[in-house]
Amino acid sequence: DVKVTQSSRYLVKRTGEKVFLECVQDMDHENMFWYRQDPGLGLRLIYFSYDVKMKEKGDIPEGYSVSREKKERFSLILESASTNQTSMYLCASSFLTAVGEQYFGPGTRLTVT
Amino acid sequence: QKEVEQDPGPLSVPEGAIVSLNCTYSNSAFQYFMWYRQYSRKGPELLMYTYSSGNKEDGRFTAQVDKSSKYISLFIRDSQPSDSATYLCAMSVKGSSNTGKLIFGQGTTLQVKP
Repeated sequence: DVKVTQSSRYLVKRTGEKVFLECVQDMDHENMFWYRQDPGLGLRLIYFSYDVKMKEKGDIPEGYSVSREKKERFSLILESASTNQTSMYLCASSFLTAVGEQYFGPGTRLTVT
Repeated sequence: QKEVEQDPGPLSVPEGAIVSLNCTYSNSAFQYFMWYRQYSRKGPELLMYTYSSGNKEDGRFTAQVDKSSKYISLFIRDSQPSDSATYLCAMSVKGSSNTGKLIFGQGTTLQVKP
């Protein structure tokens, strides 16, 4: 079974803090993705990566950065957390040529106060 | 206008009912169409995957794509309480430089009552 794990299920941070969200996959997938999910807005792509040290901006990259130093690990960084970044964050992975089939982690519910 | 539109619901039906979930889209370049199911407090999981117009059946689930109308549907026959979840449509462009990138609808929350 493909497994995508995320470092925390729930996280509470203060405004201005630097926040790290970690994602690890065990299927040797080339692609990894970070989404945020908000009511009424669905899943929106923040960043994705198709190879180690490679990254591409998604639809809403402002206020976020990412790091991919190893193939199995993809980190999302909130440089200075703000209340409008309170959301559910979902990590996903897929094979390079797999159009459509992404495997998701359980999500991290981040609250910024 | 969003590229993909999906009525968020919620949709509540009695057990055994036929459920119809729908999405419309504006980008005629979309060629791959997916339905993901997301249970509460879990990540989405791929349910159905279709390429091109027509129907695809898998057990109680049927995915339908009408490219001329830019409209996709998911039908659930004999719905069960275990089908209660959020259903997200997703689409992708063939040959995009953003390989694997998906555009998601907002998701429809379905409740099937016993």
